[in-house]
Formats: sequence, C-alpha cells, structure tokens
Amino acid sequence: GDSVTQMEGPVTLSEEAFLTINCTYTATGYPSLFWYVQYPGEGLQLLLKATKADDKGSNKGFEATYRKETTSFHLEKGSVQVSDSAVYFCALIPNNAGNMLTFGGGTRLMVKP
Amino acid sequence: DTAVSQTPKYLVTQMGNDKSIKCEQNLGHDTMYWYKQDSKKFLKIMFSYNNKELIINETVPNRFSPKSPDKAHLNLHINSLELGDSAVYFCASSRGEGRGTEAFFGQGTRLTVV
Repeated sequence: GDSVTQMEGPVTLSEEAFLTINCTYTATGYPSLFWYVQYPGEGLQLLLKATKADDKGSNKGFEATYRKETTSFHLEKGSVQVSDSAVYFCALIPNNAGNMLTFGGGTRLMVKP
Repeated sequence: DTAVSQTPKYLVTQMGNDKSIKCEQNLGHDTMYWYKQDSKKFLKIMFSYNNKELIINETVPNRFSPKSPDKAHLNLHINSLELGDSAVYFCASSRGEGRGTEAFFGQGTRLTVV
C-alpha cells in the first residue's frame, strides 16, 4: 500500500543553521505531497504542498520539491529560527483515494538559540 | 472564529465506558475526517465522511463510530473503551473536490483511558 517514510528525530540545530528533513514515499501514479507542521499543544497546519512532479512548494522560508524519479519530497530551510521548533509531518494523498492523508512518522525539530 | 473545533480538549475515563468527542467546522467544507495520533506521534486516518459516503479505515475497531448530524459536524463515538484507545484524536475537514486539497485540523482531544 501507500506509505511515507521520513527521517527519525529529534533533529537539533542551532539558530540560523540549514535544515533538511528527508521524506520518501511509495505510491502508484502521481500522489499529491504535503508537509504539515504541529506546534506544541496544537493541531496540524499545512506548511506547503506539491501536486505534480517537479513542482516546488514553499512557505515561510521552507521549500520542498516533488521528485518523481527518487520518490522524494525533502523539506529544507536555509536558516532556522527557535520558533520553527515543532514536529514536521510529510504526507501524501494517493491519486484515487479521495482526500485522506497518509502520514509519515513525524520528525521533531528543536532549534536552540 | 476557530475553523475546526473539537470538544473536549482533554478526556480521562475508565475502561469499559462509552464516550463521545464532538467536532464542528465553520468552513463550509463537505468532507470531514477523524485521525488518531498515538504516543509516538504517528498519525493514522480513521474515517472520511461526506454526505455521500463514509470511508472506514479497515484497521479501526467497530467500537468506534462516526456520527454526522449535519454537514458541519462529525462526532466520534467510542464504546467499551480500552487502554489502547488512549491517544490524541484529531478532527479535520476539507473541500471534497480537487487535487491536493488542504485539510484543516482541530486542536485535538487527548483521550486517556485508565
């Protein structure tokens, strides 16, 4: 079945460091891909998305590119801030499964001043 | 106004009890969902519901049942609660059509079964 694999955390960085959180997926056809973020004590919020190969999603300095050839959707940010500390979830919606999200296991990011 | 709201935020109850979690969305969406997040933060879809169709994740025990009195509400009923039901439950909603439609999540209900 469809699945998402992302790097295990926690990822601990100093402020202004470069961030990469790896995400790969298994799905037939061309799923839609997402990154959601969960701040402490809150629900999930959409961070960015891409719906077709080579699309780049971006928001708040975060970027991810839909790579069909490597089935990946890695999240990057050039300079993290303490306020970026959260759990990040990579997710997909398969081609033919309505709008139900399949999530990766989540990666906790901790940014230290 | 909160887009997707759930009540209660915390729920502590004993094994064997029956409980409900309420969810309301004011976004005019026609599809609503329930997700379960376990202690390791892993999220899994439980149900997807719109006015035409209920889709149930086959791994969800039949003690769990969604009830939708109208398009803006999708409540979750749980019968005969078990220790393993302890988790955070998230309600979400989205427009029913369109590729890559964003889901909006509630703040979650932390259920603890003792």
